[in-house]
Parts: sequence; C-alpha cells; structure tokens
Amino acid sequence: GQSLEQPSEVTAVEGAIVQINCTYQTSGFYGLSWYQQHDGGAPTFLSYNALDGLEETGRFSSFLSRSDSYGYLLLQELQMKDSASYFCAIYSGAGSYQLTFGKGTKLSVIP
Amino acid sequence: GAVVSQHPSRVICKSGTSVKIECRSLDFQATTMFWYRQFPKQSLMLMATSNEGSKATYEQGVEKDKFLINHASLTLSTLTVTSAHPEDSSFYICSAGDSGDYTFGSGTRLTVV
Repeated sequence: GQSLEQPSEVTAVEGAIVQINCTYQTSGFYGLSWYQQHDGGAPTFLSYNALDGLEETGRFSSFLSRSDSYGYLLLQELQMKDSASYFCAIYSGAGSYQLTFGKGTKLSVIP
Repeated sequence: GAVVSQHPSRVICKSGTSVKIECRSLDFQATTMFWYRQFPKQSLMLMATSNEGSKATYEQGVEKDKFLINHASLTLSTLTVTSAHPEDSSFYICSAGDSGDYTFGSGTRLTVV
C-alpha cells in the first residue's frame, strides 16, 4: 500500500517563508506532486518532482529526496491568497498512473 | 494548458434517484480519467479509474454497481451515482493527465436530501 504524512495545519505571517513537509511510503514510486486547493474549489497543480533535488516555479519550490522518501513544498513571500490546503501526492505509475493523496495541510496566512 | 470541464458544479437530488456527472477533456485526449470523492476537510480519495473503451477499475470498498462509470470517448467520462442516499453527499472531482501533472475538473457538490 501507500501512505503519505504531512502536517495537518500550518500558520505563517504574510511575507514570510513556509515549508510543508511530506514523507511517504510506497511500493512503487515515479514522482511526488503538490496541489493547492482553496475551500470549495478543485485542486490545482503546483509542481512535480520525479528526480532528487529542488524544482522552482516562481514563489513556490518543491524538493524531493527519494532515498529519504521525503519531499517538501516551499512557499516564499507569502500572500493572503496562499491560504489554502496543500496536498502532496504520489504518482505511483502502477498500472494506470493514478495519484494517491496525502491528507492535506491547511495553511493559514495571517497579516 | 490542459482543461478539464466538469458538470454540473452543484446538484441536489432526492434520496433514491440517480445523478450523472460529466467530465470532459477540452483540448486533449484522455484515455484515462480518474474519479475522486472528497468529504469536508478530508483528502481526495480515489474511487475509480476510467478507461476509454473498457471497464472502469474501482478501488477497494467502492461499489461499482452504485457508481457507474462510462468512458465512451477520448474526451468524455461520466459518473452516475445510482439510488443516491444522504451518505453519498460529497464533493466529486474528476481528473485527467499523465506523469504526475494532472488537471482537475472544477468538481461537483452533490447533496442528497
């Protein structure tokens, strides 16, 4: 089976930097994705790491260490609109390339 | 970028009736689509994988006779909740894509009364 662990809630100040960690266990691994979901909305894709290292996309960066079964999402220059839930997800590539999601981290950005 | 359209966005139905949810890939062909269910403040749980031209693959614990999936073309998958009950009330989301970059539909909020 597969399992992912991420903090349930994080609070950070506007303009600051926040890191959301994700550890996983899986029998098959192709990559780690991150999705953002605002209340009542659908998830939107943020990043995907298939190889070890850091991927940067604007204010967001994502890191993966396959040997440690660990990744994180880094959000810089936090804005109020970044308040949302963030999900890490494993792309297992098993059969039909389905995603398995973590339970999500609710990020609250405060002034 | 890839766009996935999902309809309806909200539906309220009476207990015992059936509801059909459509998921369309607008600018790409999707041989595989995924259907998720999300309860309030919880994660997305994969219900089934929809395969074009063949039977869907259901996750353990998901009743295939209750949640009928049809993927008749490369751009359309439908999920029909049959004989809906209040416990089926949830947020249903479809997605399509590959290699970890999945596009999600806007979701359907189903309320069974």
